Amino acid sequence: SQQGEEDPQALSIQEGENATMNCSYKTSINNLQWYRQNSGRGLVHLILIRSNEREKHSGRLRVTLDTSKKSSSLLITASRAADTASYFCATDEGGAQKLVFGQGTRLTINP
Amino acid sequence: DTAVSQTPKYLVTQMGNDKSIKCEQNLGHDTMYWYKQDSKKFLKIMFSYNNKELIINETVPNRFSPKSPDKAHLNLHINSLELGDSAVYFCASSPTGQNQPQHFGDGTRLSIL
Repeated sequence: SQQGEEDPQALSIQEGENATMNCSYKTSINNLQWYRQNSGRGLVHLILIRSNEREKHSGRLRVTLDTSKKSSSLLITASRAADTASYFCATDEGGAQKLVFGQGTRLTINP
Repeated sequence: DTAVSQTPKYLVTQMGNDKSIKCEQNLGHDTMYWYKQDSKKFLKIMFSYNNKELIINETVPNRFSPKSPDKAHLNLHINSLELGDSAVYFCASSPTGQNQPQHFGDGTRLSIL
């Protein structure tokens, strides 16, 4: 199965600004998940949105899902230096429990 | 307490050698996974086990052999290592079923000389 696509590949913003990352996928899904990966560490699950949901919030994170466009976005509000990491979307388009990951967005928050 | 732990964290070895990576989870999950992340950060599933049974086996060279002695452990043995095997290998676990987040270990960085 092919990887999803994330946009942009890299994003650099000032602390306090909002960061928006986009993800597109190819086939029908049951859910889409976002993960964060700090340098040298494993992926950490951030949020899961089901195919029948359009928007979900968790703290400073807001995720949207548009199944007609096969796309999702992750918004991080009031960014902090600690948000510097790579962010990946993953869908179950490969089948139940078989996640297909996007290529990731490398986010840098400048103090 | 570390939820998903894998050892070693770094593995540097010569081409042609055989090596193993171990993974253990203390989350009580039934499903465990091995992923490979290449130098461009692409993350791709290799294997998945549910209650010690292989359920996902991607197109991976048969030099790679996973083994699950119990549902809390999933090890990866690699024979005849090649330069292209250099990557970071991640173990993960999750509860069984749809819509389940996965919990990842911190990875094993494998470098082939």
